[in-house]
Amino acid sequence: DQQVKQNSPSLSVQEGRISILNCDYTNSMFDYFLWYKKYPAEGPTFLISISSIKDKNEDGRFTVFLNKSAKHLSLHIVPSQPGDSAVYFCAASEGRGGSARQLTFGSGTQLTVLP
Amino acid sequence: DSGVTQTPKHLITATGQRVTLRCSPRSGDLSVYWYQQSLDQGLQFLIQYYNGEERAKGNILERFSAQQFPDLHSELNLSSLELGDSALYFCASSVDQGQPQHFGDGTRLSIL
Repeated sequence: DQQVKQNSPSLSVQEGRISILNCDYTNSMFDYFLWYKKYPAEGPTFLISISSIKDKNEDGRFTVFLNKSAKHLSLHIVPSQPGDSAVYFCAASEGRGGSARQLTFGSGTQLTVLP
Repeated sequence: DSGVTQTPKHLITATGQRVTLRCSPRSGDLSVYWYQQSLDQGLQFLIQYYNGEERAKGNILERFSAQQFPDLHSELNLSSLELGDSALYFCASSVDQGQPQHFGDGTRLSIL
C-alpha cells in the first residue's frame, strides 16, 4: 500500500517556465512533508519542507503548497533552469513520540528542463 | 556536500556473506536513519537511531542489524546475503525530529 504517490513518472518543461510536481498521500497522520532532488550517483538532496500547520512555504525559486483536505502537495519551481533536471521525490513523516521520525517516499518524478 | 559520509561507495560480494556499511552523520546531528533503495521498491526506511538508541524500525529483515556508537557514527550489518539484497543503501541524519534529514551518497551493494 503506497502511502505517498507521485503519479507522474516524468515531466518536461521549457527553460524559464514553471515546473509543477505533484504528490498525493493517504495517511492523515502525516504532519511533515519534504521535497528532495536526486542526481544520478548521489544521495537525495533536501530542497524544501512544510509542516501541516502551514499551507505554503517558499524558498527562492521553490514553493511548496499543501492542501490537507485533498491530501495533496505540490512543488513549484519558477523559473525552471536546465540544472533543475533531476528526479524529485516527495516524502512525508508522522511524529511517533520521542525522537522517532521516518520518511515515507514517493516513487519520484523525473524532471527534464529543456534549454 | 550534505556532510553525511558513507563508506564504502561500492561493495561487491557473494551470497551468504556478511558486510558492514558505515555512516558518519553531519556534525551535531543525533539521529541516524538507514534506507534501502532497490529498483522495484523505491526508497524504503529500515531503521532509526537517536543518540545511540534505536528509535524506529521499518521493513528491516532479521538478517540486518544496526547500531549507533558513542561518537554517533552508525553501522548497518547485513548477513546471510541474498541476491535480492542488491541495492543502494542510504544513510541520513538530522538534528532531531521535525528537522530535515540529510542524505549521504549511498553504498551500492552488489551480490553475485
